[in-house]
Amino acid sequence: DTAVSQTPKYLVTQMGNDKSIKCEQNLGHDTMYWYKQDSKKFLKIMFSYNNKELIINETVPNRFSPKSPDKAHLNLHINSLELGDSAVYFCASSQVQGGRNSPLHFGNGTRLTVT
Amino acid sequence: DAKTTQPNSMESNEEEPVHLPCNHSTISGTDYIHWYRQLPSQGPEYVIHGLTSNVNNRMASLAIAEDRKSSTLILHRATLRDAAVYYCILHGGYQKVTFGTGTKLQVIP
Repeated sequence: DTAVSQTPKYLVTQMGNDKSIKCEQNLGHDTMYWYKQDSKKFLKIMFSYNNKELIINETVPNRFSPKSPDKAHLNLHINSLELGDSAVYFCASSQVQGGRNSPLHFGNGTRLTVT
Repeated sequence: DAKTTQPNSMESNEEEPVHLPCNHSTISGTDYIHWYRQLPSQGPEYVIHGLTSNVNNRMASLAIAEDRKSSTLILHRATLRDAAVYYCILHGGYQKVTFGTGTKLQVIP
């Protein structure tokens, strides 16, 4: 069983469209995250949720709206897509909110290409 | 956020040990040192973490300097499957975990 799974793996769309990426973890973790990895391979946190509550929002444009229907799922909806949104988006989870002793478990990413 | 500094790239021969260094001179007393690696087209994968004492697991060993301002990830016998970007990060808790640029490890057959 995949611990953290994201769908779709690839997403190609045009500017101005709205798209969603889904993430599910079966590890029983309390905290989930969205990270963005740009073309230079920098990995930056976007959001963190703990038990369906937003904990961290790293100055991400309002066009990005995470939604957590339950603690095992954290979906990312993006409105009015722009060229600069092209990147690989990773979902992650950890057992304990803010736990320094708690490793992150990542999905395999969704490569978003905006044309 | 406390920062880490790693070499951009390293090479190792297959089946030889690899020592990947990381400097973190501004580490705070409560920061844990975590290592992740990212294989091509995959998400980062947890490798190991520690606070003060050296740590061993099935993947690697982590050697932490006495003053905690540096650490070294040790792969005991590099294989081709270990070729990846290795990230050393500091986890201060209840906060974002920030990844730097990492070290790209090339394993030569």
